[in-house]
Amino acid sequence: GESVGLHLPTLSVQEGDNSIINCAYSNSASDYFIWYKQESGKGPQFIIDIRSNMDKRQGQRVTVLLNKTVKHLSLQIAATQPGDSAVYFCAEIQMNTGFQKLVFGTGTRLLVSP
Amino acid sequence: ETGVTQTPRHLVMGMTNKKSLKCEQHLGHNAMYWYKQSAKKPLELMFVYSLEERVENNSVPSRFSPECPNSSHLFLHLHTLQPEDSALYLCASSQGLQRAYGYTFGSGTRLTVV
Repeated sequence: GESVGLHLPTLSVQEGDNSIINCAYSNSASDYFIWYKQESGKGPQFIIDIRSNMDKRQGQRVTVLLNKTVKHLSLQIAATQPGDSAVYFCAEIQMNTGFQKLVFGTGTRLLVSP
Repeated sequence: ETGVTQTPRHLVMGMTNKKSLKCEQHLGHNAMYWYKQSAKKPLELMFVYSLEERVENNSVPSRFSPECPNSSHLFLHLHTLQPEDSALYLCASSQGLQRAYGYTFGSGTRLTVV
């Protein structure tokens, strides 16, 4: 079936480095993607989203890139900080019978060392 | 706080027990969701409610029984669970069924079945 998945389970970086978290999706008809951050003991929190008519979208210290040709999504975090340590999920909105639902990937754990 | 509150935060129950998880949202949203988050697996959608009416039951075993008495409250009643049901149970809400991009998650209930 259609799926959203992540390449790497854990990414370790030094404070101040840039981080890149990748995601692959298989449904070429997908037109909306969201990145979530989940800190320990909390639920997922919205970071940034992108529609399929865009290749790039920037937020505060975060950038999402979408490559529809290879069905690949990435989240770039600039000047990574210890507070960025968390699990990051990409999610895809899929149409179901009468409603939209979020389909999540397995997640990548980002570890930031000082 | 995200506006979605889940209680209890932690729950340990025996396989013969009956317990309930509670979710309350103060955002004026009309749709509410239960997700299961297991280790190393993607978030799994369990139930979807819109205006207190269930619109999705994602092949969830009958030992999980949801209840939505009003648009602000959602419960998950548990009985005769199995150890493999141990997981983080997340509640989320959105403005409506066509607003999946506006999901707000609670912090979850960490359930351990012994």
